[in-house]
Amino acid sequence: EIVLTQSPGTLSLSPGERATLSCRASQSVSSSYLAWYQQKPGQAPRLLIYGASSRATGIPDRFSGSGSGTDFTLTISRLEPEDFAVYYCQQYGSSAWTFGQGTKVEIK
Amino acid sequence: QVQLQESGPGLVKPSGTLSLTCAVSGGSISSSNWWSWVRQPPGKGLEWIGEIYHSGSTNYNPSLKSRVTISVDKSKNQFSLKLSSVTAADTAVYYCARGMGVVLGLRGAFDIWGQGTMVTVSS
Repeated sequence: EIVLTQSPGTLSLSPGERATLSCRASQSVSSSYLAWYQQKPGQAPRLLIYGASSRATGIPDRFSGSGSGTDFTLTISRLEPEDFAVYYCQQYGSSAWTFGQGTKVEIK
Repeated sequence: QVQLQESGPGLVKPSGTLSLTCAVSGGSISSSNWWSWVRQPPGKGLEWIGEIYHSGSTNYNPSLKSRVTISVDKSKNQFSLKLSSVTAADTAVYYCARGMGVVLGLRGAFDIWGQGTMVTVSS
């Protein structure tokens, strides 16, 4: 089973700063099968990135995804107040979609 | 605009069967999309349960496969989840979600989600 480990667990930043979130897989993952989601309290997750680097419909260009193999990154170029939330990476492996444990981006 | 809405009992007894339905509106369940169930225990992360295509083809998370059944009702434009032999560990918010497409990479990119429904397993 491929395990996704996200780091850091919590990221404390101020609006306007750059956020860099990491997602590391225990085995190589096809970039085609890597996605990122944002989740705010009491809400369903929202798809941000699929195929490791393609933005979903309506997602601002301050969100970008990159990486390959076992290391993937979600970057938020300049944090807006509405970007403070929990972010999950997701991949397909061993006949199942699995998620990382999440990174919380909080206001410093 | 496709929308998803989960429905079902909010309380299930231990050893019983959890049954939920996801109604699809604003679009057809027979479109070129896979349809999934995902759950989230309180304060924890996300777990994919399984998926179904309108043809009836299914794939399940191996960790839950022995207890899960997902079915589709095209006449009602909805799909359903049954999880048997539930325990307190199955207490979670259950979401239904749409995969973007039919190829594997897009199947798991969940672009539309229901609001989620909380299911508690307790006597």
